[in-house]
Amino acid sequence: QSALTQPPSVSGSPGQSVTISCTGTSSDVPSNNRVSWYQQHPGAAPKLILFDVTNRPSGVPDRFSGSKSGNTASLTISGLQAEDEADYYCSTYTSDNTVLFGGGTTLTVL
Amino acid sequence: EVKVVESGGGLVKPGGSLRLSCTASGFFFGSFTMTWVRQAPGKGLEWVSSINSIGGSINYPDSVKGRFTISRDNAKNSVYLQMNSLRAEDTAVYYCARIYCSGGDCYLYYFEHWGQGTLVTVSS
Repeated sequence: QSALTQPPSVSGSPGQSVTISCTGTSSDVPSNNRVSWYQQHPGAAPKLILFDVTNRPSGVPDRFSGSKSGNTASLTISGLQAEDEADYYCSTYTSDNTVLFGGGTTLTVL
Repeated sequence: EVKVVESGGGLVKPGGSLRLSCTASGFFFGSFTMTWVRQAPGKGLEWVSSINSIGGSINYPDSVKGRFTISRDNAKNSVYLQMNSLRAEDTAVYYCARIYCSGGDCYLYYFEHWGQGTLVTVSS
């Protein structure tokens, strides 16, 4: 099956912006708009923070935003805060009814 | 308040079997697709299986197809994962989650309301 590629780590200082990319390795991943992002703090379950590329569930701050260009989706976190330090995973739903996750990116707030 | 609780994890030998359970509350269980996602120690997330509200649509990735079976009992607000022919690479925390719904729309491929997970260790 195809995979979603994310950078292993990114970092930024408080108040700065960081962007995490998520690139599909086949022609149809993630060519659809069924892209989501999850935040996971150590020892905790993942939390849905973006769906359908750009939409935020209720309660997720608007500092979190998403975009997509071709087979690459991106998560941008603006105005970095200490509590944003976590692992982030992209995910997509494929044409054969399976769900793929990216390898995850560890965000360090310096 | 929505609550999801997994149970049934433990230590099992390679080739063995284990059945995980997930019990949910705080919503009308019989209306929602449920899913299992796992996370190997220090690794990323891997989708394991999803089952729709009545059990008529079930999906698996190739890594577990033919070895794992998902089922549900809506009368007991529970979903199960029967895992057979277990391998060392199946060692992981197994999470149960409900699909995300908002404003009357439900999305089969986005997951919210996760449990705390149950650890499965496959080792001799």
